[in-house]
Amino acid sequence: EAQVTQNPRYLITVTGKKLTVTCSQNMNHEYMSWYRQDPGLGLRQIYYSMNVEVTDKGDVPEGYKVSRKEKRNFPLILESPSPNQTSLYFCASINLAGHEYFGPGTRLTVL
Amino acid sequence: AQSVTQLDSQVPVFEEAPVELRCNYSSSVSVYLFWYVQYPNQGLQLLLKYLSGSTLVKGINGFEAEFNKSQTSFHLRKPSVHISDTAEYFCAVTPLGGTSYGKLTFGQGTILTVHP
Repeated sequence: EAQVTQNPRYLITVTGKKLTVTCSQNMNHEYMSWYRQDPGLGLRQIYYSMNVEVTDKGDVPEGYKVSRKEKRNFPLILESPSPNQTSLYFCASINLAGHEYFGPGTRLTVL
Repeated sequence: AQSVTQLDSQVPVFEEAPVELRCNYSSSVSVYLFWYVQYPNQGLQLLLKYLSGSTLVKGINGFEAEFNKSQTSFHLRKPSVHISDTAEYFCAVTPLGGTSYGKLTFGQGTILTVHP
């Protein structure tokens, strides 16, 4: 089954404690993205990747890092989380026909 | 750069009534257009997309959308809604090629609530 997986699904942490949200896809897609969803703002792209070792900033990259060492994995790293990064995060991969597949989401709370 | 505006943040409607969710976009390049649906506590699911060809596209669950290039709109319609259509709907665009392909820009979302 074609899917995008994310872990963890829920995370509560404290300000400044580094964390990583993992993302993996099994469709051999080249393009992958991270989004955050906040009420009234829709989804905003944080980072995206066009292929292994190729990443670019989205609309709201501040405070986030990503890496793409393998095609299937695209982890999101928060080196020093702050309360304004409390949000719902989605990973996605997109095929060349424009179909974007979303993961189930990670709900992050930073205290 | 692209931007997407969903003109209604909330749309209440009665069951079996028709519905239209409005989406306007702006872009300096040609784009692909999408509608996604998000049911409560779930991820996003693709409803339909416009890449090229016929401007009327049909999607899942009886939804359709019409691309209007001159008005830069991509409104979503359903002739008769069900309670199960209650969800949040997002319009999105991405450049159709080049290094920006895959950089989706979303609208703010429209919450559709279907009442019995």
